[in-house]
Amino acid sequence: KAGVTQTPRYLIKTRGQQVTLSCSPISGHRSVSWYQQTPGQGLQFLFEYFSETQRNKGNFPGRFSGRQFSNSRSEMNVSTLELGDSALYLCASSLEGGAGSPLHFGNGTRLTVT
Amino acid sequence: LAKTTQPISMDSYEGQEVNITCSHNNIATNDYITWYQQFPSQGPRFIIQGYKTKVTNEVASLFIPADRKSSTLSLPRVSLSDTAVYYCLVGLMLTGGGNKLTFGTGTQLKVEL
Repeated sequence: KAGVTQTPRYLIKTRGQQVTLSCSPISGHRSVSWYQQTPGQGLQFLFEYFSETQRNKGNFPGRFSGRQFSNSRSEMNVSTLELGDSALYLCASSLEGGAGSPLHFGNGTRLTVT
Repeated sequence: LAKTTQPISMDSYEGQEVNITCSHNNIATNDYITWYQQFPSQGPRFIIQGYKTKVTNEVASLFIPADRKSSTLSLPRVSLSDTAVYYCLVGLMLTGGGNKLTFGTGTQLKVEL
């Protein structure tokens, strides 16, 4: 079974631009969640989608948004990029998204904002 | 929100057993305990998950005492390739389903020859 696929693998943007990251979950998984990882803050939860609806949200500004399509694929958008948005963005999928349902992560998109 | 505490780093040698303990004093009744492994520039990889007592799979064992306020990940006979960051997570079951997992700082395990 194919794992979680994230594209692109690397991305370089300048301040003020916007960016869209893509995530294809494991087949059959309905929950997709997004995390930001930085050396200073570690892994931080952004949001979770289930059946095309945002079910949970972390403490990030409104510049960070996402959506999920009917095939469970998900996209994350960051508008008006800031230098501090440079990070590894990780997508994870799980069957139902409950606490007993392990997350399966992709290898992330490395975003660099200059 | 259940907070976890684990050692920042641990050192070991090839062939030894490594035990990493995680404290989660305010774990909730519905919370599961899950451990992940992460290599540089890769996403975390699921290792093992448990609710109580002991769970074992082909790569690790997870020991959870009766009060569930801590858990111990046991890696038998580690090798150089086990050098990674290990995260202990306690899942928060939210109303309506879903999760809002909190990752701690993790434990950097370094295995040497």
